[in-house]
Amino acid sequence: NAGVMQNPRHLVRRRGQEARLRCSPMKGHSHVYWYRQLPEEGLKFMVYLQKENIIDESGMPKERFSAEFPKEGPSILRIQQVVRGDSAAYFCASSPQRTGSNNEKLFFGSGTQLSVL
Amino acid sequence: DQQVKQNSPSLSVQEGRISILNCDYTNSMFDYFLWYKKYPAEGPTFLISISSIKDKNEDGRFTVFLNKSAKHLSLHIVPSQPGDSAVYFCAASARSSNTGKLIFGQGTTLQVKP
Repeated sequence: NAGVMQNPRHLVRRRGQEARLRCSPMKGHSHVYWYRQLPEEGLKFMVYLQKENIIDESGMPKERFSAEFPKEGPSILRIQQVVRGDSAAYFCASSPQRTGSNNEKLFFGSGTQLSVL
Repeated sequence: DQQVKQNSPSLSVQEGRISILNCDYTNSMFDYFLWYKKYPAEGPTFLISISSIKDKNEDGRFTVFLNKSAKHLSLHIVPSQPGDSAVYFCAASARSSNTGKLIFGQGTTLQVKP
């Protein structure tokens, strides 16, 4: 059973370009969470999605950031017009149910390291 | 507003001794707590969890203690091994919320010296 797959592992963008980060959850998991880790900081919650629905986007910056989890295909985190401050490691995690219910835990991917030049 | 805090950025212990990692939280709605371990260039991996109805959970060399009145939890690793060297994150969630999202601390880097 493959784990959470994220690609690309490394992404370099120039200021003003778009970044698209992909995440395929574990088989059977329909709940996806995105987290961001800035240098020397912990993991910050960004968004929680179920298939075709955004459940909680309270951690997403109001502008330039969007996320989707279509019925078919991976979850996508999209950052438009990237700035240097967007440079970070972006982690996707999945679970079969909402975390906390039945003591579910998150399974993380290896992350995408975004570098903005 | 840091709801989950790990006040020690780093910890160094000798192989075979006990490692104690601490975590404090402020949100009294949190009722489920987890510890994750992270190696460089990898994603966090689940280590151990505890529900608020318990005050201790043990899994092999790892034990998590929860003190609800103090809003404090700790992870004990005994005996510590060099392979335990990693960054450890504590996380908390409120199962009553509609998202159950995990809130993470800043992490503690553990170094176990041979």
